[in-house]
Amino acid sequence: RKEVEQDPGPFNVPEGATVAFNCTYSNSASQSFFWYRQDCRKEPKLLMSVYSSGNEDGRFTAQLNRASQYISLLIRDSKLSDSATYLCVVNGDYGQNFVFGPGTRLSVLP
Amino acid sequence: SAVISQKPSRDICQRGTSLTIQCQVDSQVTMMFWYRQQPGQSLTLIATANQGSEATYESGFVIDKFPISRPNLTFSTLTVSNLSPEDSSIYLCSQMALAGGITNTGELFFGEGSRLTVL
Repeated sequence: RKEVEQDPGPFNVPEGATVAFNCTYSNSASQSFFWYRQDCRKEPKLLMSVYSSGNEDGRFTAQLNRASQYISLLIRDSKLSDSATYLCVVNGDYGQNFVFGPGTRLSVLP
Repeated sequence: SAVISQKPSRDICQRGTSLTIQCQVDSQVTMMFWYRQQPGQSLTLIATANQGSEATYESGFVIDKFPISRPNLTFSTLTVSNLSPEDSSIYLCSQMALAGGITNTGELFFGEGSRLTVL
């Protein structure tokens, strides 16, 4: 079993749609969680950190369920510019143990 | 945010040769990281570049193939040696974000990557 697994995708959705991505992780000792966004031929960039209480940033909502070892990302009112690959990232500690999921590709269609 | 400069941004190399990638960051950081992203794949950590000591390599990566230098706190190089077509990939330099210049926030910043094609 891979350490971090994500929905295989790709997701093709119309503008304005709501889309949800799921991620599971196997290391129960994981401490911090992130969603990164990677545009085609670009480097990954942090979209948002994921906190135990859940957090929201505009149209983006992230949830963490430690008991189920599950992370989600919800995007509301999708824009064309949201088209990218979304990477679930789990860190075992505040050192170097970042593990990247395989990514879920999103295409928002006009 | 951090500014991370990598060069070359891309290169095409012959098998059996080596390529050295340079990474410059704009702040002094304890740890810099080198990642590989093979075509259509996610990121895999190659090693952590430590200043003043040898790099720490992840399982499946060895120093002879991926020698790393870290002469100071803002600069590192990764060499991919004895190239084969399987080494064709994007290599990314990374550092961890610092809050107040001290505390790791757990966020990674990446350079724009070096795209290597081996013929």
